[in-house]
Amino acid sequence: DVKVTQSSRYLVKRTGEKVFLECVQDMDHENMFWYRQDPGLGLRLIYFSYDVKMKEKGDIPEGYSVSREKKERFSLILESASTNQTSMYLCASSLLGGQNEKLFFGSGTQLSVL
Amino acid sequence: KNEVEQSPQNLTAQEGEFITINCSYSVGISALHWLQQHPGGGIVSLFMLSSGKKKHGRLIATINIQEKHSSLHITASHPRDSAVYICAVRPGGNTPLVFGKGTRLSVIA
Repeated sequence: DVKVTQSSRYLVKRTGEKVFLECVQDMDHENMFWYRQDPGLGLRLIYFSYDVKMKEKGDIPEGYSVSREKKERFSLILESASTNQTSMYLCASSLLGGQNEKLFFGSGTQLSVL
Repeated sequence: KNEVEQSPQNLTAQEGEFITINCSYSVGISALHWLQQHPGGGIVSLFMLSSGKKKHGRLIATINIQEKHSSLHITASHPRDSAVYICAVRPGGNTPLVFGKGTRLSVIA
């Protein structure tokens, strides 16, 4: 089974800190995604990547950056954390589209910024 | 941009009931996904549809491309089916999925 691993389940940071959220997948997937999930808003796409060293902005990229130096690892960076970035962050990976297309999610990181 | 609307937002059912969750989208798509999220848990993919109908155990997903509508049915519902069910569409090609806000289902014994 595909495994998508996020480095922390819970994280507490202070306003202004630089925060790194790590995501690793073990199935050689090309596509990787970072979402945040907030009550009443559903999943919102922050950034995605279709290949190593490639990144694309999603719907809400402001205040975030990403890094994909290796195919299996996709990192989300909060350059200067703010309280409105308190949220559940979910990483996902998938193969390119087709009849067997399937999205695999990590278990999420609940980030609290104080 | 594709808008994805799910109904109902919340649903409470008695164990054994037949359940239907609906998903409508605004523009043409290449694929539609149904996903499940248990409380405190991660999200798992249930189905990917581009046409017709798929069945897995007690879950059935259908899609009507002309009407831009999909339904997820659960037969003989059970308390372990309690979860948030999320619909997501792919507008075309390898574009990212657009997600609905989810339907929260509670099945009471």
